[in-house]
Amino acid sequence: QAVLTQPSSLSASPGTSASLTCTLRSGINVASYKVYWYQQRPGSPPHYLLMYKSGSDNQRGSGVPSRFSGSRDTSANAGILLISGLQSEDEADYYCMIWHRAVMVFGGGTKVTVL
Amino acid sequence: QVQLVESGGGVVQPGGSLRLSCAASGFTFNNFAMHWVRQAPGKGLEWVAVISFDGNNKYYADSAKGRFTISRDNSKNTLFLQMNSLRVDDTGLFYCARGDGYGYEGIDYWGQGTLVTVSS
Repeated sequence: QAVLTQPSSLSASPGTSASLTCTLRSGINVASYKVYWYQQRPGSPPHYLLMYKSGSDNQRGSGVPSRFSGSRDTSANAGILLISGLQSEDEADYYCMIWHRAVMVFGGGTKVTVL
Repeated sequence: QVQLVESGGGVVQPGGSLRLSCAASGFTFNNFAMHWVRQAPGKGLEWVAVISFDGNNKYYADSAKGRFTISRDNSKNTLFLQMNSLRVDDTGLFYCARGDGYGYEGIDYWGQGTLVTVSS
C-alpha cells in the first residue's frame, strides 16, 4: 500500500469547488504530519501552494490566492486541498507530500480538469 | 526573487555518470536545506535526496543510495548531484528545490529542471 494515495483525476465546472484528497496509509496519522500541496501545470515545474497540519499550523505559499485552502479529515486519515471558484488556469496536476521517516514522499498526483 | 538554475543534464549510456549543478540566487543559500526531485516522462514526482544547510547531513531515497551523492558549495551558492551507475529508469527531469526553512519537511521553490536521458 502506498504511503500517500490520491485520486488519479477529478473534473469540475468553472466557478465550483474541488476537494482533492490525500489519504495516508494506515498507521501513519495525518494529525502528526505537515501535508504539503503542489500544483504543476503542463510543461512547468511544480509550484508550492500550501502546507496544512492543523488550524494553528498551516501556511499558504507566497502569492497563492486565498481560494486555495488546506484542511484535514482525521476520520479518513487524509489531507485535503480545497480549490474554490475554479478557474481554467487551475487545470493542472496536484501533488501532496509528507516527510516520513527521513524520506520525502509524494502522492501519485491528481489531474484536475476544468470543464 | 528566488532563482534556481539547473545544468549538467544530457544523454548518457547505462552505467555512466553525470554531475548536475544548481546555481541559487535571490536568498541566503547557506540558511536553507536543498533537495533534488526527479520526474520521469509522463510520471509523477519522486524525491531523490536532501542536504542540510551546512552540508553535514544528507538523506537519500532508496533508489539513490549508493549511486548518487548530494553536495553543496556554500561559497558559490551551488548545489550538486553526482550520479553514478546510471540506469535507463533514471531518465527524467531533475529539479533542484529549496527547503522551506523548517528542517527537511517541505519545499517552497523549484528550478526549471535539467533533463537526464539514460539510453544505449
